[in-house]
Amino acid sequence: SQQGEEDPQALSIQEGENATMNCSYKTSINNLQWYRQNSGRGLVHLILIRSNEREKHSGRLRVTLDTSKKSSSLLITASRAADTASYFCATTPAGGFQKLVFGTGTRLLVSP
Amino acid sequence: EPEVTQTPSHQVTQMGQEVILRCVPISNHLYFYWYRQILGQKVEFLVSFYNNEISEKSEIFDDQFSVERPDGSNFTLKIRSTKLEDSAMYFCASSATTSSYEQYFGPGTRLTVT
Repeated sequence: SQQGEEDPQALSIQEGENATMNCSYKTSINNLQWYRQNSGRGLVHLILIRSNEREKHSGRLRVTLDTSKKSSSLLITASRAADTASYFCATTPAGGFQKLVFGTGTRLLVSP
Repeated sequence: EPEVTQTPSHQVTQMGQEVILRCVPISNHLYFYWYRQILGQKVEFLVSFYNNEISEKSEIFDDQFSVERPDGSNFTLKIRSTKLEDSAMYFCASSATTSSYEQYFGPGTRLTVT
């Protein structure tokens, strides 16, 4: 598999439910970030977690990072219809300058 | 809130033509990037730029591509002779410093090569 693979590829939930997306990567990293992309639009930075951190919160977002398993998860609590979007993890490889290596993304659909 | 802007939002060009995509990064940012996203695929890194030179580039960024910061505000991506496979969404991004890895993306330019 390639650096940055998310699962599931698609997730459909009801408003108010929690959504969990997972990301796996293959190489050592400096940090991992999550971005949201509404259909056909730009990427919006959500949260960054550094390689020496295990968990981070921002509003309704909770991100975990397990460097031993090379994996991360993004939890969106109490989802809203406005959360409908694609979510991508992006890693900054250790030793890399600053380029981001994006995953394949999870398409989240939140129904009212 | 400061944001990255890109022009045009949509560019249609014929194969073999040159195109220039323009970006205005956030004003106090020092690092600039171009990424592309072919429809339905993942976002791919093209090039990073710092201190008026390319700091890193991907295999995609071949001799047909070039970047420039012609003045204190604009950052451009030029494709010299477009191919059908260059059709994609092109995103510009910027970040403040090496200690701050958050990259802020523009809304993208959709390039269609016919």
